[in-house]
Amino acid sequence: MVMTQSPAILAVSPGERASLSCRASQSVSSNLAWYQQNPGQAPRLLIHGASIRATGIPPRFSGSGSGTEFTLTISSLQSEDFAVYYCQQYNKWPLTFGGGTKVEIK
Amino acid sequence: EVQLLESGGGFVQPGGSLRLSCTASGFTFSSYAMAWVRQAPGKGLEWVSAISRSGGDTNYADSVTGRFSISRDISGNTLYLQMNSLRAEDTAVYHCAKGYSNDWYFFDSWGQGTLVTVSS
Repeated sequence: MVMTQSPAILAVSPGERASLSCRASQSVSSNLAWYQQNPGQAPRLLIHGASIRATGIPPRFSGSGSGTEFTLTISSLQSEDFAVYYCQQYNKWPLTFGGGTKVEIK
Repeated sequence: EVQLLESGGGFVQPGGSLRLSCTASGFTFSSYAMAWVRQAPGKGLEWVSAISRSGGDTNYADSVTGRFSISRDISGNTLYLQMNSLRAEDTAVYHCAKGYSNDWYFFDSWGQGTLVTVSS
């Protein structure tokens, strides 16, 4: 199953809203997670079940969608949010990640 | 606090073998599925393998099936990845990751990773 993220790079000003897209080649129901990765660091779980924030994740991060179309929204970008974001489906084997969206400062 | 510490990476020639280890602490190791996820230099995340909490169920990416083997030592709180017949395309940082539960294979804790370089 292929997970396609878009755009590959998203340039946003601090304080603005960012919307990241993840599309599955077939339905994954709501079995989708989002991760954030900063340079040189391990990934961090943000969202699971397509829309459930992980423990300790601030409310400016929200997830939506089901089936094949998903969105991660960051309502007001903070400096620490400029990073690479990955989606992952866990609906069926093999597990697959999207190629990532890099959110950079505009 | 959950901690995952990988070791065993290094430089190996094509066709060679390595065994990676991941020592876990801060949670009940026997209650959670575990996995290995790799990241080639400058590239994205690629799931490699996963194992159920008992070790009875294992799954592999097509790219490593037949060459890699995942296992776990419950008493030692350690996850392993035996890698044989290594190829240049296996060069990556290998992260150990803790499953959210035994039934849900998304990952709520990650190690910093260990670098594997396959080159002649």
